[in-house]
Amino acid sequence: DIVMTQSPLSLPVSPGEPASISCRSSQSLLQSNGYNYLDWYLKKPGQPPQLLIYLGSNRASGVPDRFSGSGSGTDFTLKISRVEAEDVGVYYCMQASQTLTFGGGTKVEIK
Amino acid sequence: QKQLVQSGPEVKKPGTSVKVSCKASGFTFSTSAVQWVRQARGERLEWIGWIVVGGGNTNYAEKFQERVTITRDMSTGTAYMELSSLTPEDTAVYYCAADFMIGGGKLDPWGQGTLVTVSS
Repeated sequence: DIVMTQSPLSLPVSPGEPASISCRSSQSLLQSNGYNYLDWYLKKPGQPPQLLIYLGSNRASGVPDRFSGSGSGTDFTLKISRVEAEDVGVYYCMQASQTLTFGGGTKVEIK
Repeated sequence: QKQLVQSGPEVKKPGTSVKVSCKASGFTFSTSAVQWVRQARGERLEWIGWIVVGGGNTNYAEKFQERVTITRDMSTGTAYMELSSLTPEDTAVYYCAADFMIGGGKLDPWGQGTLVTVSS
């Protein structure tokens, strides 16, 4: 299985400040079609995960443009340009290049 | 809108089985796949398996291969995940998620989750 490693584990952020989460995979997620099979999800307490980013850098429908995904191969980043109170929760990366595996999560909280 | 609604919480004894349902609405069920994922308290999300609705073919995580069965009923737009030989370590919230990329990720929407508690 592909191992997904996220950092940091916890990320306290002041409202309006930027945030960045890293995700690394043990194998390349770049397929021959040119797509990186890497998603980002946000899980809020008591709710199911919600899709933010798919194929590495594509924002899902309805996701604010303050969220962006980048990276290729084995190194990926989720950035929030200006954190808002509603962005708190645990962020997970997930690879779909092989059978699905998830990162350990990054808890974003407001300072 | 696209929606998945799961069955309610379950409490099971060790050694028994549980069957969780996931009913789709707002989209063409037959053109999707359904992924099953679980999360135990304090643990990361863990993939269980999936079914391609149209063809009915399935794939399971090696860890669950011997005791999980995923099925679907196209007449009702419902997918099912049955897990047998339950142990307390199977206590978790179980989620289904729609996969329109058929194995390429982009899981959306997700069901609300079903808490399965295994306790003697």
